[in-house]
Amino acid sequence: GQQVMQIPQYQHVQEGEDFTTYCNSSTTLSNIQWYKQRPGGHPVFLIQLVKSGEVKKQKRLTFQFGEAKKNSSLHITATQTTDVGTYFCAVLIYNQGGKLIFGQGTELSVKP
Amino acid sequence: DAGVIQSPRHEVTEMGQEVTLRCKPISGHNSLFWYRQTMMRGLELLIYFNNNVPIDDSGMPEDRFSAKMPNASFSTLKIQPSEPRDSAVYFCASSLDRVEQFFGPGTRLTVL
Repeated sequence: GQQVMQIPQYQHVQEGEDFTTYCNSSTTLSNIQWYKQRPGGHPVFLIQLVKSGEVKKQKRLTFQFGEAKKNSSLHITATQTTDVGTYFCAVLIYNQGGKLIFGQGTELSVKP
Repeated sequence: DAGVIQSPRHEVTEMGQEVTLRCKPISGHNSLFWYRQTMMRGLELLIYFNNNVPIDDSGMPEDRFSAKMPNASFSTLKIQPSEPRDSAVYFCASSLDRVEQFFGPGTRLTVL
C-alpha cells in the first residue's frame, strides 16, 4: 500500500535557526498534505500540494512538492517557540473515499 | 463553528470493561474518520465513513473494536473488552469533499 517516510524523527533547534522536514515515497503521489500537532493537541491541516514542483508559502513556512511527485518538504525559516510540535505529511487516497495515509512525523523542539 | 466534538476527553477503565468513545462531526461534513495515536505506532487510521456508510475498516485492530455512524451528526467507537494495549489517544476527524480533515481534541484512553 501507499507509504510515506518522513525524516528526521526529531529535530532540536535554537530559536532563530531554520528547520526542514522531508517526506519521501517510492511511488508517485497524487498529492501531499501537511499537518501540525502541538504538544497535547490534535493535528491541524496546514496545506495541500498537488502539482509537480509546486511551492507554497505561509509566512515563515515554505512547502515544496518534488518535480517527480515522490517527495515533499516543509521548511521553517527562523524558528520561534510557537513552532514547537510534530509536523506530519500525509497522502490523500482519492479512490478509497478520501483515506489519509500519515507519515511518522517530525517532532520539532525549539530552545529559546 | 464548534469544530469536531469528542467525548469523553479522558477515560480510565479497567481491563475487560467496555469503552465507548463518541464523536460529533462538523455540521455538513460528509466524511468521518477514527484514528488512534500511540508513541510506538504513530497516527493510525482505524475506520472511516462516507455519507454514514463505512468505507474502509481495514485498520480496525481486531473484533473487539467496532464503530457505528447512525446518522450524519454522530459516531461511536466501541472497544469490548478493553485491554491495556488499547491505551492511546483516539481522534475523530471529519471532512467535506475529502480534502482537508478537521480533527477533534481526542480522547485519551487508559486501560489498567
